Amino acid sequence: GAVVSQHPSRVICKSGTSVKIECRSLDFQATTMFWYRQFPKQSLMLMATSNEGSKATYEQGVEKDKFLINHASLTLSTLTVTSAHPEDSSFYICSARDPGLAGGGGTDTQYFGPGTRLTVL
Amino acid sequence: AQSVTQLDSQVPVFEEAPVELRCNYSSSVSVYLFWYVQYPNQGLQLLLKYLSGSTLVKGINGFEAEFNKSQTSFHLRKPSVHISDTAEYFCAVRVYTGRRALTFGSGTRLQVQP
Repeated sequence: GAVVSQHPSRVICKSGTSVKIECRSLDFQATTMFWYRQFPKQSLMLMATSNEGSKATYEQGVEKDKFLINHASLTLSTLTVTSAHPEDSSFYICSARDPGLAGGGGTDTQYFGPGTRLTVL
Repeated sequence: AQSVTQLDSQVPVFEEAPVELRCNYSSSVSVYLFWYVQYPNQGLQLLLKYLSGSTLVKGINGFEAEFNKSQTSFHLRKPSVHISDTAEYFCAVRVYTGRRALTFGSGTRLQVQP
């Protein structure tokens, strides 16, 4: 199946610093990527939808100035947590949409990255 | 809007026993249905998906699920579980067109005991 990578897998930073997380689709082109956040023992909550070449679409309650998303190419999306605080500590997971045959329709599937554990001290 | 309910937060089961993880959904439009598995500190892996056609869907690792439109359910089953199946399982839905993000249930922790 398709592979999505995330880097770094784990990061520890001081409060007030910025952290960049990369999400790459390794063997397919993803026009759309999604960023999710998962708190311990909870489900995934969608933060934003990242579209190649255009601005990301943020979910209600997600600060776009704090969580900067850039989708510069068909295989790379980045999430930057700016001025991180301890409450931003979480597991961040990206997914990439593989449109499948004929460019889309109903057969596309999302493939998830392994996640990034962010700890803000 | 869509919502997904996984009524069981934890399901303990003995090795080689059958298991069913329940999933019900609510949506005003037609949806695709998915089951994902998450091992500790890892991302999600697709187990199976229902897009159309036969309501019984077979996935990886011996899992299968049955779509029941009248009951708006998509329960996951395995006839004989292994210790290695211990993980968190998430049911998710997605609408046919437009917004393509997944809506997840709260997850079910499957704990397989020897």
